[in-house]
Amino acid sequence: EAEVAQSPRYKITEKSQAVAFWCDPISGHATLYWYRQILGQGPELLVQFQDESVVDDSQLPKDRFSAERLKGVDSTLKIQPAELGDSAMYLCASSPGTRSGYEQYFGPGTRLTVT
Amino acid sequence: AQSVTQLGSHVSVSEGALVLLRCNYSSSVPPYLFWYVQYPNQGLQLLLKYTSAATLVKGINGFEAEFKKSETSFHLTKPSAHMSDAAEYFCAVSPRGYQKVTFGTGTKLQVIP
Repeated sequence: EAEVAQSPRYKITEKSQAVAFWCDPISGHATLYWYRQILGQGPELLVQFQDESVVDDSQLPKDRFSAERLKGVDSTLKIQPAELGDSAMYLCASSPGTRSGYEQYFGPGTRLTVT
Repeated sequence: AQSVTQLGSHVSVSEGALVLLRCNYSSSVPPYLFWYVQYPNQGLQLLLKYTSAATLVKGINGFEAEFKKSETSFHLTKPSAHMSDAAEYFCAVSPRGYQKVTFGTGTKLQVIP
């Protein structure tokens, strides 16, 4: 069964350093999402791509976060510089975007700890 | 804006007992509704979805949910809890025609032997 791949699974970094996360969606899924999930809360959308274009980045802290999806396949989320409050799980999801409902398929996530 | 409210951040049930996790949505028109499950340090997995076909939706692992427009609810149930059901459950809503999903705050299910 096809899965969404993410790496790394765990990342520890010091504040003010740069970090990057990678996501490879299920083949053929045009829509890709990055979420941030703080412990004890639901996922919060950071950015949504349709192919290589950003369709929603209204909640992305653009002064320090950036995301790209070159060629409309895999994607990278970057934080520079990292802050203590960025400690969270970063989830990537992809969707086939069918008319019957846009169910999302999630990767295992990257657990970020900023010290 | 569409939203969901999950009643109860923690629910405990005995093994073999009925599982009932509550979700109410806010929307001017019936949206798409989803239930996801998350095990520790893992991503979310889709349990079931409502997209305007049958109001009683059956999902994986014996779970089902009923869409009740009059109550704006989409509660998740399972007749008999199993130890492996212990996880966090998220209700989510999506406006029809849009690919943005808003998640609830989650309900952590504990199953007591």
